[in-house]
Amino acid sequence: NAGVTQTPKFRVLKTGQSMTLLCAQDMNHEYMYWYRQDPGMGLRLIHYSVGEGTTAKGEVPDGYNVSRLKKQNFLLGLESAAPSQTSVYFCASSYAGPIYGYTFGSGTRLTVV
Amino acid sequence: DAKTTQPTSMDCAEGRAANLPCNHSTISGNEYVYWYRQIHSQGPQYIIHGLKNNETNEMASLIITEDRKSSTLILPHATLRDTAVYYCIVRVEGNQFYFGTGTSLTVIP
Repeated sequence: NAGVTQTPKFRVLKTGQSMTLLCAQDMNHEYMYWYRQDPGMGLRLIHYSVGEGTTAKGEVPDGYNVSRLKKQNFLLGLESAAPSQTSVYFCASSYAGPIYGYTFGSGTRLTVV
Repeated sequence: DAKTTQPTSMDCAEGRAANLPCNHSTISGNEYVYWYRQIHSQGPQYIIHGLKNNETNEMASLIITEDRKSSTLILPHATLRDTAVYYCIVRVEGNQFYFGTGTSLTVIP
């Protein structure tokens, strides 16, 4: 049981380049989330999904797009990377309902130069 | 949305109990209190959660006041490996977690 797997673990992009971060979970969770964490700060919610084919905006959605074509995968896209998007990105998943906690991935460290 | 307030940092002697407070004065009746911790730059790790009653598991205890406006996470015998940032989160409608800056706990040998 792998839990939540994020790929890649590290990436360096040039300003203006695009990339997609992949999050995969094998726990049959309905909900999935993308967070970013800047140095010395807490996690901020970018986008989330409450089921296959659905997505919604979180606190800081600008500059990102997401897709959930399959229940087990949640993709985070950067169409035109900016230095301000340098951060550590965490994916999480959970069952539906407030009684269930999140399972987090190990993170993707992205640097935009 | 219910928000939480936590001290920025705390120290605790190794082997002693670590008591981490959290205020959530605007919490609604059906919102759970969750605690997570983050060691270095790893993904946050679930510790415990509760609604009204006190809870205990193998990692910690959670004490929630009767009015539910505050709670305390207790690590009964802190070790050096418990040094981490601890987040107190109230689960808002729609299932999302909104993290604050948490409490940086340092366990001192």
